[in-house]
Amino acid sequence: EDQVTQSPEALRLQEGESSSLNCSYTVSGLRGLFWYRQDPGKGPEFLFTLYSAGEEKEKERLKATLTKKESFLHITAPKPEDSATYLCAVHTIWITDKLIFGTGTRLQVFP
Amino acid sequence: NAGVTQTPKFQVLKTGQSMTLQCAQDMNHEYMSWYRQDPGMGLRLIHYSVGAGITDQGEVPNGYNVSRSTTEDFPLRLLSAAPSQTSVYFCASSYYRDREENEQYFGPGTRLTVT
Repeated sequence: EDQVTQSPEALRLQEGESSSLNCSYTVSGLRGLFWYRQDPGKGPEFLFTLYSAGEEKEKERLKATLTKKESFLHITAPKPEDSATYLCAVHTIWITDKLIFGTGTRLQVFP
Repeated sequence: NAGVTQTPKFQVLKTGQSMTLQCAQDMNHEYMSWYRQDPGMGLRLIHYSVGAGITDQGEVPNGYNVSRSTTEDFPLRLLSAAPSQTSVYFCASSYYRDREENEQYFGPGTRLTVT
């Protein structure tokens, strides 16, 4: 069965304290892996797409990496404005064309 | 570009009532989809469409209908609302399949309460 698991569920960091969020997946017919940021009361906002193992992408304090079984979202020297829920989703084209989402990691960064 | 727009933002229904959630996009995306988001469950796919006139069921389609008469619009109909349909509903759109830039863009959501 296709599955996406994110950990931890919640993470509290001090401003400047770097850390990583994990997304592990088991799917057939992987087309790509997506990271989204979601602020309270808003829709998910696209961050990155990764297509193959070994691929890395960066945006400001965020870097996403991909292996054959999992993806990491590394946050370097976070700021309070990085506080949000980070969602991982896998695009599969096995049988149907769909995104399978994890339940997210809720990140809080304190000054 | 307005991106993906959804109306209404908030809605309260009584059990048994019907309504339509509207979704529109102006990016000429082929693929459109509806998700519901519930605490601890993540985003779950309700229905999706790969182009005008083509729709298919997602993970949780029961109690919902969709149609796609134009590229721009993808309304979601609740046939007879139930308390279990209390949720936040998101519409999303993207280019389809083999395009490099096929990430989904989400609307702001509709918060639905069924009493």
